[in-house]
Amino acid sequence: DADVTQTPRNRITKTGKRIMLECSQTKGHDRMYWYRQDPGLGLRLIYYSFDVKDINKGEISDGYSVSRQAQAKFSLSLESAIPNQTALYFCATSVREGADTQYFGPGTRLTVL
Amino acid sequence: AQSVTQPDIHITVSEGASLELRCNYSYGATPYLFWYVQSPGQGLQLLLKYFSGDTLVQGIKGFEAEFKRSQSSFNLRKPSVHWSDAAEYFCAVRSGGYNKLIFGAGTRLAVHP
Repeated sequence: DADVTQTPRNRITKTGKRIMLECSQTKGHDRMYWYRQDPGLGLRLIYYSFDVKDINKGEISDGYSVSRQAQAKFSLSLESAIPNQTALYFCATSVREGADTQYFGPGTRLTVL
Repeated sequence: AQSVTQPDIHITVSEGASLELRCNYSYGATPYLFWYVQSPGQGLQLLLKYFSGDTLVQGIKGFEAEFKRSQSSFNLRKPSVHWSDAAEYFCAVRSGGYNKLIFGAGTRLAVHP
């Protein structure tokens, strides 16, 4: 969905490096999410934010941090990357409604050597 | 705890054949259920969703899904598959307390000409 953009799309880094993945949205949604996708495991939630001042840990937050700089921007950081953080990372947004449907960005493929 | 099971990791069908992808969920209350599709190199696109009303839900690209409470299932169907349907399909349930999605591991669909 072009309304949710992620940068970079691909990144290769080394163990111990600090990495930031960025997500921007033009949908005007209050809620933003970070997921990681691993083969055979589906998507798992890392962090989520219901507004600029509300940030919450998901099921696999260890080793990650986030920043909600504005309603439209939600960044994910790996303070000291390790190889098992190699994955495909997705940002998603939603607006509070009956089903709270989430809309996903194109993903960032991160490789940690 | 809520969970989603997609029993079939990989399915291969011939173009023009019918398709059914299975999804079983574990959730105490009335679930909000979703099917997403991920084409190669792309993000996740919402196919359809169910949160109330008619248990047969129509989605985009000719897909439909049927919610069966007695079987805790939300299977995805398409009467005639096209080669462009080759992708990975994810079933998800919304965890009501935190508005987060719990995903199944995905089913990869291959379409033979």
